[in-house]
Amino acid sequence: DGGITQSPKYLFRKEGQNVTLSCEQNLNHDAMYWYRQDPGQGLRLIYYSQIVNDFQKGDIAEGYSVSREKKESFPLTVTSAQKNPTAFYLCATSGLRAGFGETQYFGPGTRLLVL
Amino acid sequence: EDQVTQSPEALRLQEGESSSLNCSYTVSGLRGLFWYRQDPGKGPEFLFTLYSAGEEKEKERLKATLTKKESFLHITAPKPEDSATYLCAVFTSGTYKYIFGTGTRLKVLA
Repeated sequence: DGGITQSPKYLFRKEGQNVTLSCEQNLNHDAMYWYRQDPGQGLRLIYYSQIVNDFQKGDIAEGYSVSREKKESFPLTVTSAQKNPTAFYLCATSGLRAGFGETQYFGPGTRLLVL
Repeated sequence: EDQVTQSPEALRLQEGESSSLNCSYTVSGLRGLFWYRQDPGKGPEFLFTLYSAGEEKEKERLKATLTKKESFLHITAPKPEDSATYLCAVFTSGTYKYIFGTGTRLKVLA
């Protein structure tokens, strides 16, 4: 069953705590992305990776960190430096084609709430 | 600055009442336009990808079209199960990133 899995579905963070959101894919896509979705705003890019062991900051990377040790996995850590982490987090994957955007496919999302 | 604007923000239709959603863009070199459907609390579901002005794609009651300045998502004879938020995104040669609009919330009444 091909697809993108994100876990957990809900995550609660305490003050000063780092939390990690999981994203796994078996679509064999090279590129993986993390977006944040807030009410009334478009999806905003946090980080993206086009190849293992390499990743780039998106528009709102402050307070977040990622790793890409395997093609299938792209975990996102929300650090204590992120002062307003409450949001819906979406992981996406796509193929790569020089000069063009390939279709992105999204996971089911993780909702992060602050206690 | 690359920008994507979707209109209207919200739309209520009676079942069977056809309409269109708009996605207008000002970008430096369009390299792909994407439509998604998103249900509350779920990830966006891919609908269509368009690359060239004049291109059209259809799926059941939905049809997407593309011009040099905008894209339309036409919904023919909608049903209540078409109620969702519809998102538009573009990929540009200026930034090589995907830029998302804020979506149109569609409600179809039985």
